[in-house]
Amino acid sequence: NAGVMQNPRHLVRRRGQEARLRCSPMKGHSHVYWYRQLPEEGLKFMVYLQKENIIDESGMPKERFSAEFPKEGPSILRIQQVVRGDSAAYFCASFRDRDEKLFFGSGTQLSVL
Amino acid sequence: GDSVTQMEGPVTLSEEAFLTINCTYTATGYPSLFWYVQYPGEGLQLLLKATKADDKGSNKGFEATYRKETTSFHLEKGSVQVSDSAVYFCALNDHQAGTALIFGKGTTLSVSS
Repeated sequence: NAGVMQNPRHLVRRRGQEARLRCSPMKGHSHVYWYRQLPEEGLKFMVYLQKENIIDESGMPKERFSAEFPKEGPSILRIQQVVRGDSAAYFCASFRDRDEKLFFGSGTQLSVL
Repeated sequence: GDSVTQMEGPVTLSEEAFLTINCTYTATGYPSLFWYVQYPGEGLQLLLKATKADDKGSNKGFEATYRKETTSFHLEKGSVQVSDSAVYFCALNDHQAGTALIFGKGTTLSVSS
């Protein structure tokens, strides 16, 4: 019973490039959350998705960031034209309705040079 | 808006010492409260939870009691081990405000033998 799978674990990009972070939720989970963790800070909510729907994107920066969760395949967090300030750990979590339990992936560490 | 405030770390203890990590919250409704733990290089794992006032969550020797009168959910353990070294996050889910967990900044615990 695989957990939440995120890849890559580490991603290095130069300023101006695009970053694509992937998240496969646990089997049977149809809700996905993305969080960003900056050094010395807690996790900040970014976006909440269900299959083919963005439910809440109130935590997403208005520009350069987008997220999707297609009917088939993983959820994708896309950052265009990355800047150094985007360097952070990005965590995905999938949600189990019956007990409000969030299951987290191991995260993707994005480093922007 | 809703928020979670944790004591700042790092907390450094010797093995078998008593642990308290303070957590207070602000919420508009009647939130569920959680403690998550993050071991080095891993994602967050649910440690314990409480869903209503006076509930006590417990797991692996850790305990926290939901105190509505003081809006607190302090984490305690009677005798810490080296393996408890990790970052601990307090979080809330205010069902009136949506389903995204709101996290504190995290408290780093370092236990030495």
